Amino acid sequence: EADIYQTPRYLVIGTGKKITLECSQTMGHDKMYWYQQDPGMELHLIHYSYGVNSTEKGDLSSESTVSRIRTEHFPLTLESARPSHTSQYLCASSGLRGVDYGYTFGSGTRLTVV
Amino acid sequence: AQRVTQPEKLLSVFKGAPVELKCNYSYSGSPELFWYVQYSRQRLQLLLRHISRESIKGFTADLNKGETSFHLKKPFAQEEDSAMYYCALSRTNTDKLIFGTGTRLQVFP
Repeated sequence: EADIYQTPRYLVIGTGKKITLECSQTMGHDKMYWYQQDPGMELHLIHYSYGVNSTEKGDLSSESTVSRIRTEHFPLTLESARPSHTSQYLCASSGLRGVDYGYTFGSGTRLTVV
Repeated sequence: AQRVTQPEKLLSVFKGAPVELKCNYSYSGSPELFWYVQYSRQRLQLLLRHISRESIKGFTADLNKGETSFHLKKPFAQEEDSAMYYCALSRTNTDKLIFGTGTRLQVFP
């Protein structure tokens, strides 16, 4: 079934560690996004991609980086995790604008840096 | 700057009562507005778009450009409507969404 997958669902990691949050979609969508959400707050766009080898930073500054080497894969990396990176990270994708246009979201990764 | 405001963090109603979740936006261009919903233990998912002009699960939302609002309404709330609701705005010629802080709807039996 076409879907978008995020792993891991939960991650607790020590300060200074390098981490990669995985996001893959099997819907053939060109556009993919990473949002960050703190409890009770709005979702903030931190990265987006309109296609392979196309990545741009979002409205909220983030120390994370992303890559888009394959259409289906959009991983997010933190080179050195800090407690301030503790948050929920949501991956989403969207296809062509049409009747059913909208974001499809993954289940999210809840990251805790201790 | 573009912004989406949802003034209520929590809205509690009894089953069968009318519901209105408020959403106001600030954007000088021609926006596209969405409502997303997150039920307990489920992912965030699209509920409806203003362009579609549909009723989804009994919910409707009308874009009022004069009042810059896109309130979500349902005449008779059901317990299964209990969820977190997010209003979102897409700027002209972009697929990037700006979200509000969300409103938690609780429908009591």
